[in-house]
Amino acid sequence: DTEVTQTPKHLVMGMTNKKSLKCEQHMGHRAMYWYKQKAKKPPELMFVYSYEKLSINESVPSRFSPECPNSSLLNLHLHALQPEDSALYLCASSQARDRAPDTQYFGPGTRLTVL
Amino acid sequence: EDQVTQSPEALRLQEGESSSLNCSYTVSGLRGLFWYRQDPGKGPEFLFTLYSAGEEKEKERLKATLTKKESFLHITAPKPEDSATYLCAVQARGNFNKFYFGSGTKLNVKP
Repeated sequence: DTEVTQTPKHLVMGMTNKKSLKCEQHMGHRAMYWYKQKAKKPPELMFVYSYEKLSINESVPSRFSPECPNSSLLNLHLHALQPEDSALYLCASSQARDRAPDTQYFGPGTRLTVL
Repeated sequence: EDQVTQSPEALRLQEGESSSLNCSYTVSGLRGLFWYRQDPGKGPEFLFTLYSAGEEKEKERLKATLTKKESFLHITAPKPEDSATYLCAVQARGNFNKFYFGSGTKLNVKP
């Protein structure tokens, strides 16, 4: 089973709202990722958690706040977003293999619209 | 600088017309090269992992190959349901968490 689940599938929020995106995997993977994808562009890395510790933050604005409560769950808290933050938000996970190729498996995404 | 370039940007094929997609890469020590298929509004679906020059992998109508500088995704006798964007990503040694994505090839297969 290589399933990563994401909720909600769609989210519409105003610029003053606070919302959260949720991601879950039960493959025993120890690395989890958040990506942002705009239309007709490849996914753009935002954050990486490795063994539940934040290992990469790609200079993402503080209105995006990641959280990894345990090895199976990853959240992305959203606050005071801008319309240009509207995008498909993808979660991925991998085994966190050290030397061998470390395949990432993606979830279906959350389509976020900021009004 | 690590870089991935995919060509063509878009490809139109007739059903049954075989072709190849290209992924050229420059990376400081290849750890892995990955192919994904992405349908509009959905997450990328994993297809193949390659890591050794000369390696080949197959799945149904798709075959992926790898050299020291590029990878090809060969599509044999495509069907309309193969229409999607195909993404290539590379992983460098020493930076295992990060994927470098190409910009993708949008494939349209007409019946």
